[in-house]
Amino acid sequence: GAVVSQHPSRVICKSGTSVKIECRSLDFQATTMFWYRQFPKKSLMLMATSNEGSKATYEQGVEKDKFLINHASLTLSTLTVTSAHPEDSSFYICSVWGRSNTEAFFGQGTRLTVV
Amino acid sequence: AQSVTQPDIHITVSEGASLELRCNYSYGATPYLFWYVQSPGQGLQLLLKYFSGDTLVQGIKGFEAEFKRSQSSFNLRKPSVHWSDAAEYFCAVGAGADKLIFGTGTRLQVFP
Repeated sequence: GAVVSQHPSRVICKSGTSVKIECRSLDFQATTMFWYRQFPKKSLMLMATSNEGSKATYEQGVEKDKFLINHASLTLSTLTVTSAHPEDSSFYICSVWGRSNTEAFFGQGTRLTVV
Repeated sequence: AQSVTQPDIHITVSEGASLELRCNYSYGATPYLFWYVQSPGQGLQLLLKYFSGDTLVQGIKGFEAEFKRSQSSFNLRKPSVHWSDAAEYFCAVGAGADKLIFGTGTRLQVFP
């Protein structure tokens, strides 16, 4: 069964609105979750590391005020795309390492389209 | 700098043919190496991984990969490809419980 659940799988929003994406660790508590972004026909790029109970760590070039990350519990991290623009349209995927730290599990991904 | 290179953007093979997807990496420490597969619009599924030990690792769906430290490579192989193997394949490197660095992916197309 799924280890990581991501919701929604698809979302379309208007420019200027905000969208929240949820990532849940189903089988175990995760103090750290990772958010990746995948551009069309491109690889996955790490956006930020979500840390339970503390601020997220953002990669260089990622606007922390635009991509708000909240990791309020050990099983849930959320990514909010604020004031979305068409260039934010992308595939967003979250990831959690398993208990033994030998495998990273990925959510199903969220296809965001900003119109 | 840490990086992963997948030289082949797109590979087309006939069903039943053998397959090899190339992956080269640059990493400062001893790497953990992974191959993931992604179907359109889906997340990533782990095919196999290498941490240490035997350099030839077996994965799911009949895939295997060989770690060659001297060549900084971790190529993925399958002796006989099935139509259901058509997907995007990503090689990744990391240090365990940390961020992964992905290659640009190789799209595999399988003809009947």
